[in-house]
Amino acid sequence: AQTVTQSQPEMSVQEAETVTLSCTYDTSESDYYLFWYKQPPSRQMILVIRQEAYKQQNATENRFSVNFQKAAKSFSLKISDSQLGDAAMYFCAYRIFTGANSKLTFGKGITLSVRP
Amino acid sequence: NAGVMQNPRHLVRRRGQEARLRCSPMKGHSHVYWYRQLPEEGLKFMVYLQKENIIDESGMPKERFSAEFPKEGPSILRIQQVVRGDSAAYFCASSMTGGETQYFGPGTRLLVL
Repeated sequence: AQTVTQSQPEMSVQEAETVTLSCTYDTSESDYYLFWYKQPPSRQMILVIRQEAYKQQNATENRFSVNFQKAAKSFSLKISDSQLGDAAMYFCAYRIFTGANSKLTFGKGITLSVRP
Repeated sequence: NAGVMQNPRHLVRRRGQEARLRCSPMKGHSHVYWYRQLPEEGLKFMVYLQKENIIDESGMPKERFSAEFPKEGPSILRIQQVVRGDSAAYFCASSMTGGETQYFGPGTRLLVL
């Protein structure tokens, strides 16, 4: 069974600084997707970034980038130039590549606070 | 271009009552997923449906829970004879195909008194 582990329950960053959120996963599959979702106080789940396992290049979306280490099964999220609006829970998630088994497996999440 | 819609946003039920949660997927999406989030936890998969078909219900409790996605209308997650342990946030997500990114609705917060 696939598992996703986020071992840090909380992190804090100074506004305008950079922070890295860690995630590891366990799978026997070779093709899969990895995601980071953001959940602000409104509780809405917002997709931050997506990485396909077959791509060697790390995904980036504006201030958000990932460090994907397939061999180590590690998928960390880097937030540059942190803003107050980045304060939220962040969930790492995994999904197998094929369509029939499309469920997302989530980690327990990490609470990020941003200090002004 | 409306996103995934869920209603109601908040639902209060007494023990033993029924809860019906509705989800309208994004336009053009025919795949719907339901997840449950307990307090201080991540989301847990419950069920995956296409129009008129249940594709994967491996995360659904064996009793009291059912889901449907009819040819017309929203997907419905139904919880019969609710208990306090059913109190949670229930999220619906949709995708265009089974392999595409899932986009989430705002969730329904169910409180069982």
